[in-house]
Amino acid sequence: DAGVTQSPTHLIKTRGQQVTLRCSPISGHKSVSWYQQVLGQGPQFIFQYYEKEERGRGNFPDRFSARQFPNYSSELNVNALLLGDSALYLCASSNLGREVTDTQYFGPGTRLTVL
Amino acid sequence: GNSVTQMEGPVTLSEEAFLTINCTYTATGYPSLFWYVQYPGEGLQLLLKATKADDKGSNKGFEATYRKETTSFHLEKGSVQVSDSAVYFCALGLTGGFKTIFGAGTRLFVKA
Repeated sequence: DAGVTQSPTHLIKTRGQQVTLRCSPISGHKSVSWYQQVLGQGPQFIFQYYEKEERGRGNFPDRFSARQFPNYSSELNVNALLLGDSALYLCASSNLGREVTDTQYFGPGTRLTVL
Repeated sequence: GNSVTQMEGPVTLSEEAFLTINCTYTATGYPSLFWYVQYPGEGLQLLLKATKADDKGSNKGFEATYRKETTSFHLEKGSVQVSDSAVYFCALGLTGGFKTIFGAGTRLFVKA
């Protein structure tokens, strides 16, 4: 079975631009979460979506937004990019999404570099 | 607030040495605790978890016990292999919550 897939793998943008990152969960998984991992740090929670509804949001500015589609894939959008947005963006899917103890399966991430 | 603190790396060991990576947490309520591993160039993988006090999670020779009295969840392995070289993240999640809170990670190097 295919795992969580993310695209693109790498991305280079300049300050002020906008970016869209994509995630496809494991087949049958209805919950998708997004995390930001700055080099040398642990992942920081950005959003969780379950059944196309936002269930949780981390401490990120409104420049960050996301959505989930009827096929449960998801997009993360970041507007007005700053140098500090350079990071590895991870997507994770889980089967139920109702409890944090549900195992999360992570994708390989999208490496975003902002120049 | 809720947070996870783990020992700074890198940790360098010889093959077959004993491994301990310390992890302590601060949380309101009763969290579930996790260890994730990130191999070079790959995403995070769940290594083990424990959902209540005194539970022991184990997988691939790694184990960790949920100690409520010391708010700790230390990762141990009796004999490490070169293939265990990776970054290890301790994490917590709150029951009924939607996010996982990660520590900063500990890089492990195992020499042949």
